[in-house]
Amino acid sequence: GAVVSQHPSWVICKSGTSVKIECRSLDFQATTMFWYRQFPKQSLMLMATSNEGSKATYEQGVEKDKFLINHASLTLSTLTVTSAHPEDSSFYICSARRQGVVFFGEGSRLTVL
Amino acid sequence: DQQVKQNSPSLSVQEGRISILNCDYTNSMFDYFLWYKKYPAEGPTFLISISSIKDKNEDGRFTVFLNKSAKHLSLHIVPSQPGDSAVYFCAASAQGGSEKLVFGKGTKLTVNP
Repeated sequence: GAVVSQHPSWVICKSGTSVKIECRSLDFQATTMFWYRQFPKQSLMLMATSNEGSKATYEQGVEKDKFLINHASLTLSTLTVTSAHPEDSSFYICSARRQGVVFFGEGSRLTVL
Repeated sequence: DQQVKQNSPSLSVQEGRISILNCDYTNSMFDYFLWYKKYPAEGPTFLISISSIKDKNEDGRFTVFLNKSAKHLSLHIVPSQPGDSAVYFCAASAQGGSEKLVFGKGTKLTVNP
């Protein structure tokens, strides 16, 4: 069964609006979760590391104010794409580590019109 | 600088034959390696991993080989099945897997009936 769950699996929004994506670890606690972005025909790009109870660690080139990450509990991390623009359209994937193995959520397809 | 390289963007094999997917890395600090399988519009699914203290790990039809001196690993799938058709990502991590994952660009495997 699924180890990490994401919601929603797809979302369409208008330009300028904000979108929140949730990532949950199922049946285990994750002090750290990871957010990735995948462009078509490209590899997974790590955006940020979400740390429970503290600020997220962003990768170089990722705008902190654009991609807000909140890890309020040991089983939930959220990614909010603020003031979304068409170039933010992408496939966003979260992951969490359980017993040494990183498991991924189902992914969330964001389309900004 | 790409630290994890999958030089073959695609591979096509016949059902029942062996599929060999290759991965090279440059960072000598990497000591934990994983293979993921990914279908379009889905999150990656963990397949198999290997620690640098081993040179082989086997799980059913999947075997991963690690050659540390060559900084090379490979995933063998035998026998290949049409359901194995997907994109396969190689990932590496340092600190026994506790560091963030670095992904290759993926190899698209097609298994023909």
